[in-house]
Amino acid sequence: DTEVTQTPKHLVMGMTNKKSLKCEQHMGHRAMYWYKQKAKKPPELMFVYSYEKLSINESVPSRFSPECPNSSLLNLHLHALQPEDSALYLCASSQDGSSGINIQYFGAGTRLSVL
Amino acid sequence: SQQGEEDPQALSIQEGENATMNCSYKTSINNLQWYRQNSGRGLVHLILIRSNEREKHSGRLRVTLDTSKKSSSLLITASRAADTASYFCATDSGATNKLIFGTGTLLAVQP
Repeated sequence: DTEVTQTPKHLVMGMTNKKSLKCEQHMGHRAMYWYKQKAKKPPELMFVYSYEKLSINESVPSRFSPECPNSSLLNLHLHALQPEDSALYLCASSQDGSSGINIQYFGAGTRLSVL
Repeated sequence: SQQGEEDPQALSIQEGENATMNCSYKTSINNLQWYRQNSGRGLVHLILIRSNEREKHSGRLRVTLDTSKKSSSLLITASRAADTASYFCATDSGATNKLIFGTGTLLAVQP
């Protein structure tokens, strides 16, 4: 199984709402990632979890709060978002990277619209 | 910004033709990867070339790497309409779990 599953596929939320994005993988990968992607742009890294610990935070605003409950799950909690946060949010996973090879497997993404 | 640059930004070809896209990067790398993204979907890993390799093939894909020029190219031979997608290079320094993605090339293959 080389699948990374993201839910929901689409999300519309108001600026005062609280919502969560979910990501799941069963490949035994120990590194998981959140990316934000705007139209016609490359993915921008937001967070990296390695062995369930946050290892990289790319200076992301606190209205985005990641959580890694276990090695298979990754959540992104959203609160008080701005319209400019509307984007495709991608989750990815990879083996722990200690081999020097970091091939990432991506989910299909959550299309988020903030009104 | 550490982001790599890709050119062309967009490429339109006929089915059966070859497509070449180029990637330039700024820092030392451990390896370079190419990913494909169909519209509004996730990225799919295509091929990885290590820093000590100069050329690699996988099916209709051919990747070259010139570390002295900090550049790579991806050639897709005998293109098909299904190859229509955005293509991103991504560099890996090997120091962290972080990939640095290029700006992307949007390929349109006309049937």
